[in-house]
Amino acid sequence: DAGVIQSPRHEVTEMGQEVTLRCKPISGHDYLFWYRQTMMRGLELLIYFNNNVPIDDSGMPEDRFSAKMPNASFSTLKIQPSEPRDSAVYFCASSFSGGSPLHFGNGTRLTVT
Amino acid sequence: RKEVEQDPGPFNVPEGATVAFNCTYSNSASQSFFWYRQDCRKEPKLLMSVYSSGNEDGRFTAQLNRASQYISLLIRDSKLSDSATYLCVVETGTASKLTFGTGTRLQVTL
Repeated sequence: DAGVIQSPRHEVTEMGQEVTLRCKPISGHDYLFWYRQTMMRGLELLIYFNNNVPIDDSGMPEDRFSAKMPNASFSTLKIQPSEPRDSAVYFCASSFSGGSPLHFGNGTRLTVT
Repeated sequence: RKEVEQDPGPFNVPEGATVAFNCTYSNSASQSFFWYRQDCRKEPKLLMSVYSSGNEDGRFTAQLNRASQYISLLIRDSKLSDSATYLCVVETGTASKLTFGTGTRLQVTL
């Protein structure tokens, strides 16, 4: 299995631009999570899905952030418009079932200038 | 009180030493617990799950204390390659929400 696949690996954009991060979970995993990691705040859960349905989006910072999971093999996290404080590493992770271990992708390092 | 708390360290220990980390959690109803390891500029990787009766995997031992609401990780005979950040993860709230601690940094030296 290829594991969780994220793209792009790096993204540099200017303030105000739209950013789209992509994730392909491990086949057969029913849960998908989006985390954001910064030095100051560590790993923060933004949103997670079960069987493509958003379960908890209380960690999404504000309306500029949105996430979708149109099918079992693909999810996007979109930031529009982006701001410098959004600079972070964004990780996607999937798990087989509720409460089981997470498998992380390599992350997307986002820099907003 | 934070949902999951860890001492950020760093813990600087010589090779061969034994080192232990604790992690406290606030939700007494939490059911799933894990330790992850994260190397610099890499993704977190599962080190081990934590079971109620405690469990061991080679040089690593994990314990759960439900009464005091903490989990621990013990590393025996530390190796240089153990240098990393160790993250505890706790299922909090309902429906499989997994919350990470901020991590404890370990540096093993010669």
